Amino acid sequence: NAGVTQTPKFQVLKTGQSMTLQCAQDMNHEYMSWYRQDPGMGLRLIHYSVGAGITDQGEVPNGYNVSRSTTEDFPLRLLSAAPSQTSVYFCASSYSLGTGETQYFGPGTRLLVL
Amino acid sequence: SQQGEEDPQALSIQEGENATMNCSYKTSINNLQWYRQNSGRGLVHLILIRSNEREKHSGRLRVTLDTSKKSSSLLITASRAADTASYFCATEPTNTGNQFYFGTGTSLTVIP
Repeated sequence: NAGVTQTPKFQVLKTGQSMTLQCAQDMNHEYMSWYRQDPGMGLRLIHYSVGAGITDQGEVPNGYNVSRSTTEDFPLRLLSAAPSQTSVYFCASSYSLGTGETQYFGPGTRLLVL
Repeated sequence: SQQGEEDPQALSIQEGENATMNCSYKTSINNLQWYRQNSGRGLVHLILIRSNEREKHSGRLRVTLDTSKKSSSLLITASRAADTASYFCATEPTNTGNQFYFGTGTSLTVIP
């Protein structure tokens, strides 16, 4: 199994541009989520999904959209990039939404917005 | 924010020593997990402790949980240079459904 994969690894955007960060998992996990990691802030939840067709907001959703058309894929869209969105983005998945499920993380996408 | 806080922010020890890091959180939880992140990589799950448990062991890891103080500690015994990484606690609050909240992390350096 490839686990959780993310593309691209690194991206530079100009303010106002849009882009999609890709996330895919091949473990048939129902629960998927997106986090951003900033220095000194730990990881903060952006959006999550408990299954295909179901998404919800996390702690810091503004400026981001998600959709979940398949179990495998959970893309994150930046509608109009801002310098404040410069961060490292991690996608994670887990088998179900039961308590105590281990989350499996992708390698991350480093985004720089100029 | 429901984010937890880890203490200390950074820790430097000699190989063979024990490393202890602490996590404090704000609300009632279902469980607490510890994750490890090597530089430039994603997070890897280490250990989980449920709210009705007080202590758990896994190899060289020992985790304690004190729900009355809303705190947890992670002890790594007989540390190795390969343990150098950042360590994060993650809580699943009882009142937020399917959301996890990560702490700010402890950066551990083990000197050979």
